[in-house]
This record gives sequence, structure tokens and C-alpha cells, in this order.
Amino acid sequence: SQTIHQWPATLVQPVGSPLSLECTVEGTSNPNLYWYRQAAGRGLQLLFYSVGIGQISSEVPQNLSASRPQDRQFILSSKKLLLSDSGFYLCAWSTPGRTNEKLFFGSGTQLSVL
Amino acid sequence: RKEVEQDPGPFNVPEGATVAFNCTYSNSASQSFFWYRQDCRKEPKLLMSVYSSGNEDGRFTAQLNRASQYISLLIRDSKLSDSATYLCVVSPYRGGGSQGNLIFGKGTKLSVKP
Repeated sequence: SQTIHQWPATLVQPVGSPLSLECTVEGTSNPNLYWYRQAAGRGLQLLFYSVGIGQISSEVPQNLSASRPQDRQFILSSKKLLLSDSGFYLCAWSTPGRTNEKLFFGSGTQLSVL
Repeated sequence: RKEVEQDPGPFNVPEGATVAFNCTYSNSASQSFFWYRQDCRKEPKLLMSVYSSGNEDGRFTAQLNRASQYISLLIRDSKLSDSATYLCVVSPYRGGGSQGNLIFGKGTKLSVKP
């Protein structure tokens, strides 16, 4: 069966510090991978998605970036965090080749930028 | 008009009650529809897909009305454990024969009281 791992669960970072969140998927090959952010009182916002190694699409302009160095690894990064980067970050995967299909989420990272 | 709109609630209902949520979507060519459940500070989890003919899973019934562009979720015999936020999810049509990534509503909060 497929599983998705995301870490850390909680992170408190000062403004201007770097960020690296990691997500890995097991039990499937070439999954579509996604990074979402959920700010307090707001819906899920798609940040990045990837359909393959090295292929990253950005949905919104921001100071975050994503990378997919391996088939089942997806990394969210920032060189300098802003206060507005605080939120609940979720990694997700879906069946290869089907971006409009059901998503399976990791357990999320609660990021607080102070 | 927002792509996906939901009544934020909260819906406060007693145990055993029947409760219904509606969700409207703006893109008439949308093809895929889902309901997700999200517990506080947890990741969203797929509750059920929504099919044109309507579908039922135990106490949960989902309906799709393409003419009016809304989907609904009915929960019968509410349990305390049903307390959560219910997210409406739609796959919008982006043109060129392709479906876009899933769009999440902000969610409807349900609180079931003893």
C-alpha cells in the first residue's frame, strides 16, 4: 500500500531564516506530488505540483521554491522566511498522469514564523 | 464568483440529527468532485467522490446537480465523531481538453453535540 511521510510536524522559525520541508512517498512510482498551504481561516492553496523528477510547476508567485530530486521525494524550501509564510503546509500525492484525481495528504507541518 | 464556495458554518447539531452541506462551483465544465474531511490541525482525508448519479456510503450521501452547479453532502444520524470541517473539492476545466488541479473550498465546520 502507498504511504506518504512528511516532516517535521511542527516548526518555529525566525523571520529571514531558511526553510526546508521534506516529503516522501512509498509504494507507488512516478506519483504526481503537490505542496499546499493552509493559512488560518483560509482554504488550501496549491503552491507547487510536479509530474516527474525535476518537473516543477508553480501556482502562485512567492518566496518559496520546490524541488523533486528523486521520483518519490518532494522538497519545499525558502532562503528567507517572511511572517506571511506561517501556515499549515501539506504534501500530497495522486495517481500518475491524473492531476484531477483524488489526493492523499501527508500529516502536515505547522510552520510558525516569528 | 469564486471557483468553489461553501457555507463556513459552524453547523451545530445534536447527536442523531441529519445535516446537509451544499457547495457551489463556477466552472460548468468541471468533471471531478469530492468531499474531504479535515479534523482540527490534521490533514484532509478523502471522504467520498461525487458521481453524477449520486452515491451513498453508510450514513453519508453525496449528490451532484450539474444544471445548478452544486454538490451536496448529507449526513444522517450524526455522531460525535462526525465533528470536523468538510471540504468541497472540484476539478475545474482549464481548456484544451485538460482538467486543472483540484480546487478546495474553505470548508464547512460541523460540530455534533451530545
